[in-house]
Amino acid sequence: EAQVTQNPRYLITVTGKKLTVTCSQNMNHEYMSWYRQDPGLGLRQIYYSMNVEVTDKGDVPEGYKVSRKEKRNFPLILESPSPNQTSLYFCASSPVTGPWDSPLHFGNGTRLTVT
Amino acid sequence: AQSVSQHNHHVILSEAASLELGCNYSYGGTVNLFWYVQYPGQHLQLLLKYFSGDPLVKGIKGFEAEFIKSKFSFNLRKPSVQWSDTAEYFCAVNVRYGGSQGNLIFGKGTKLSVKP
Repeated sequence: EAQVTQNPRYLITVTGKKLTVTCSQNMNHEYMSWYRQDPGLGLRQIYYSMNVEVTDKGDVPEGYKVSRKEKRNFPLILESPSPNQTSLYFCASSPVTGPWDSPLHFGNGTRLTVT
Repeated sequence: AQSVSQHNHHVILSEAASLELGCNYSYGGTVNLFWYVQYPGQHLQLLLKYFSGDPLVKGIKGFEAEFIKSKFSFNLRKPSVQWSDTAEYFCAVNVRYGGSQGNLIFGKGTKLSVKP
């Protein structure tokens, strides 16, 4: 089944403890992206990647890192999480040209709480 | 900066009522337009999209949207809503700059609650 898989679904952590949220897609998509969703703010893009080894900042990249060593994986790294990073995170992917021409396929989300 | 505005934060309707959700964007160039839906506890999925051609596009589950270029609008409509349409709806716009592809900008979303 074609899908975007995120892990974990729920994560509670403490300020400053490094964490990684994994994202993997099995559709051979070139484009991958991370969003955070907050009430009243909608979806805001954190980072995106057009292809392997190519990543770019989105609208809210501060406090996050990503890597794209393989086409299928696009992990989101929080080196030193803070409470303002408590949010619902979505990974998404799209075929060759990107989300402007093709719809995004979203993962099921990761709800992160930083205390 | 380009932006996407969804006028209603929360819409409450009774079953069988008609629905129209507003979406406006702030760019006069070439755009691709999308509506995504997020059912409670689920991820976003595509409802419909407009790239070119007939400005009235039909999507899944009886939804349609009309692109009105002069009004920079892409409103979502459904003639008769059902309780199962309860969800959050996001308008998204891709803005193209010359030969580049631009990026996708989401509105803040509109929650729709349908009373049975």
